[in-house]
Amino acid sequence: AQKITQTQPGMFVQEKEAVTLDCTYDTSDPSYGLFWYKQPSSGEMIFLIYQGSYDQQNATEGRYSLNFQKARKSANLVISASQLGDSAMYFCAMTGTDSWGKLQFGAGTQVVVTP
Amino acid sequence: EAGVAQSPRYKIIEKRQSVAFWCNPISGHATLYWYQQILGQGPKLLIQFQNNGVVDDSQLPKDRFSAERLKGVDSTLKIQPAKLEDSAVYLCASSTRGGRDTQYFGPGTRLTVL
Repeated sequence: AQKITQTQPGMFVQEKEAVTLDCTYDTSDPSYGLFWYKQPSSGEMIFLIYQGSYDQQNATEGRYSLNFQKARKSANLVISASQLGDSAMYFCAMTGTDSWGKLQFGAGTQVVVTP
Repeated sequence: EAGVAQSPRYKIIEKRQSVAFWCNPISGHATLYWYQQILGQGPKLLIQFQNNGVVDDSQLPKDRFSAERLKGVDSTLKIQPAKLEDSAVYLCASSTRGGRDTQYFGPGTRLTVL
């Protein structure tokens, strides 16, 4: 069985600062994928970034980067130069071979960016 | 390219009534997912379709929930009869082939059961 843990229920960050959102996972599957999604108050889930378990390099997408530490089973999201529009709920999710396509989500972290 | 479309955006019903939600995935996406997101939680998969066949419906409460994707394109999720605990946001997502392909989500339908 897979499990995703996000231990930070909420956090405040000042505009233009960087913020790290924690995500740890547990799986016995050697092949898996890790995703981060953003959910603004409007409700839509917006895909941010993906990391495969066999990827050698950490994934980056614009201001988003994923700090993947496989031995520690962590996949933290780093948002650089925070903007007011980054205020949202952020979810870490994973899928593996035995749950092909099914995303297992964490509980989420609420981020509020202040001026 | 158009995203995942869902309707209605909001629905309020009384318990024991029935309700249906519609989803149209991104063109060409073979895999379609329905998730239930209860307030304060992450989404939970209800059912996954590959074309018009069901891949996973292990967490679908089949005594009251049903879903279909008859022509392998759009899909309908139905609840009959609704219970108070069905109040949630119902999210539809699609991906190219399934597996680790990125899932793209629609805006969701917020259901309130009174």
